[in-house]
Amino acid sequence: EVQVLESGGGLVQPGGSLRLSCAASGFTFSRYAMSWVRQAPGKGLEWVSVITGSGDNTFYADSVKGRFTISRDNSKNTLYLQMNSLRAEDTALYYCARGSNSFHNSELDYWGQGTLVTVSS
Amino acid sequence: DIQMTQSPSSLSASVGDRVTITCRASQGISNYLAWYQQKPGKVPELLIYAASTLQSGVPSRFSGSGSGTDFTLTISSLQPEDVATYYCQNYNSAPETFGQGTKVEIK
Repeated sequence: EVQVLESGGGLVQPGGSLRLSCAASGFTFSRYAMSWVRQAPGKGLEWVSVITGSGDNTFYADSVKGRFTISRDNSKNTLYLQMNSLRAEDTALYYCARGSNSFHNSELDYWGQGTLVTVSS
Repeated sequence: DIQMTQSPSSLSASVGDRVTITCRASQGISNYLAWYQQKPGKVPELLIYAASTLQSGVPSRFSGSGSGTDFTLTISSLQPEDVATYYCQNYNSAPETFGQGTKVEIK
């Protein structure tokens, strides 16, 4: 059974940092692109970032470019999102989602339950 | 960047009604278009990919069409369990933007 499980969310002050993790199981992790999608309270879905299966290519939303870094460790079946210079508007539920193939342009076929990030003083 | 615009933002329909949601891309995305369903308090789920291909397990009352810039999601006969917010997503090129969502309710 395909599973992705996020962790690492919490309360952080503006300007602070946080690293999210997403542990994957039930599939050959390195063969699939992985994405982060966020949802602010009461708002819609916002695509954040994607990394190809090999980890060679990464892409970001303009709203997080230069502050967030997506990465993966295929030996540990784990996806990461390093978030720096956090702002109040980064407050959201962060979902980890699997792409349907190893390339960045693929639909998201499995989603985790999300981990909540709150940026507040 | 490609912008995705959904309409309407919300709708209310009766059980058994045919419901249509549209999604327009600001530039052509071929058929790299997905639809997701998010029920209240739940995780989004993939409904349709490649504009018109039904994800495994999704009821056949859901269908998608379109190519280029204009896409539609149709529910042929609305059921109570279809109450949800529906999102389209461009995955032709990054940023892989979502539409703002369409909230579907039962009248």
